Amino acid sequence: QVQLVESGGGVVQPGGSLRLSCAASGFTFSSYGMHWVRQAPGKGLEWVAFIRYDGSNKYYADSVKGRFTISRDNSKNTLYLQMNSLRAEDTAVYYCAKDRGVTIPYYFDYWGQGTLVTVSS
Amino acid sequence: QSVLTQPPSVSAAPGQKVTISCSGSSSNIGNNYVSWYQQLPGTAPKLLIYDNNKRPSGIPDRFSGSKSGTSATLGITGLQTGDEADYYCGTWDSSLSPNWVFGGGTKLTVL
Repeated sequence: QVQLVESGGGVVQPGGSLRLSCAASGFTFSSYGMHWVRQAPGKGLEWVAFIRYDGSNKYYADSVKGRFTISRDNSKNTLYLQMNSLRAEDTAVYYCAKDRGVTIPYYFDYWGQGTLVTVSS
Repeated sequence: QSVLTQPPSVSAAPGQKVTISCSGSSSNIGNNYVSWYQQLPGTAPKLLIYDNNKRPSGIPDRFSGSKSGTSATLGITGLQTGDEADYYCGTWDSSLSPNWVFGGGTKLTVL
């Protein structure tokens, strides 16, 4: 069965950096696009970034463009999110999600359990 | 402010039917498939509807989806207390700055 397990969350000071990881299993990771989606406390879902199956194309939300970088290692079945210049408004649970598509987003068919990132001094 | 507009909340009694609307524009709903997600309290979202009106295996036929023009609708019949959750619509927005967009979410209360 498909499993997506996020890790790397924690407390970081404003301006700091953090790298999230998402270990995937139960499907051919290298064949599908992947996303990061976040949810601030008590708020709705906010899409963060998408990476194509082969990593050759990436899309970002305007709110994180230039600060966050999505990447993947298909040999390790792992998705990453490098977050720099973190702000208080980046505080959220970050979910890794598998896309049913390959080159551009289609829909999210599986989600991880999420990892909490708290940006606070 | 979300690109896709959903009502903040809806409510109905057990056994009744409810619909949740999702309004967008030609750059998103008007030209792309819509999907719907259910988020039970304290859990990760789960896929409910894809391709506007298709259900993944395991999703009961009490849940249905439709799309017309730049709007989409999620319908739930035979409401159960276990359906109490937040529901989100989503689609690809193929504007000048392409991105995935979610609705603001609708909290369903089963009275």
